[in-house]
Amino acid sequence: KNEVEQSPQNLTAQEGEFITINCSYSVGISALHWLQQHPGGGIVSLFMLSSGKKKHGRLIATINIQEKHSSLHITASHPRDSAVYICAAAFNSGGSNYKLTFGKGTLLTVNP
Amino acid sequence: GAVVSQHPSRVICKSGTSVKIECRSLDFQATTMFWYRQFPKQSLMLMATSNEGSKATYEQGVEKDKFLINHASLTLSTLTVTSAHPEDSSFYICSATEGPGAYEQYFGPGTRLTVT
Repeated sequence: KNEVEQSPQNLTAQEGEFITINCSYSVGISALHWLQQHPGGGIVSLFMLSSGKKKHGRLIATINIQEKHSSLHITASHPRDSAVYICAAAFNSGGSNYKLTFGKGTLLTVNP
Repeated sequence: GAVVSQHPSRVICKSGTSVKIECRSLDFQATTMFWYRQFPKQSLMLMATSNEGSKATYEQGVEKDKFLINHASLTLSTLTVTSAHPEDSSFYICSATEGPGAYEQYFGPGTRLTVT
């Protein structure tokens, strides 16, 4: 069964702190997404990665295929980073099709 | 980057009526579109996968006669919630990929449906 586990479920930080959100998945995947969802619901895709590490501004995403684990890091966190962060694993669903299985999300609150 | 739009962003309808939600890829051709539903404080759940020009594939437990999906062109998919009931109130999100075998999904902003 394709399962995606995220931790922590809730995270409160002070502005400027380094943030880490973790994601583990149960079986082999083709790619892993990190998504951001603000209040109001709209989803923004932050990263898609299948190996190694990616960086965009203050955000860094890493993935370890052998350990079936990915992390999202936020450096110098800011109140505007407050959102729900979701990891989603792309599993092959047959042929050339892929489906995403989502973690439950991590609610990040960054206080000024 | 690839942009996906949804319309409407919010809709309130009466119980028993039908509601259509549109999902458009604005600057790319979307061979495959996905429809998700998200209840409050829960994760997104895939409802169905729709490939242009063919019938949608529904996930287990999703009623295909209640949630009608049409993907008639490479830039437009529609989800119609028929005979809506209050329990259908949810946040509906679509996503699209550019081609078969593409991992990256581009998400729409979502549609909040409230059935009274």
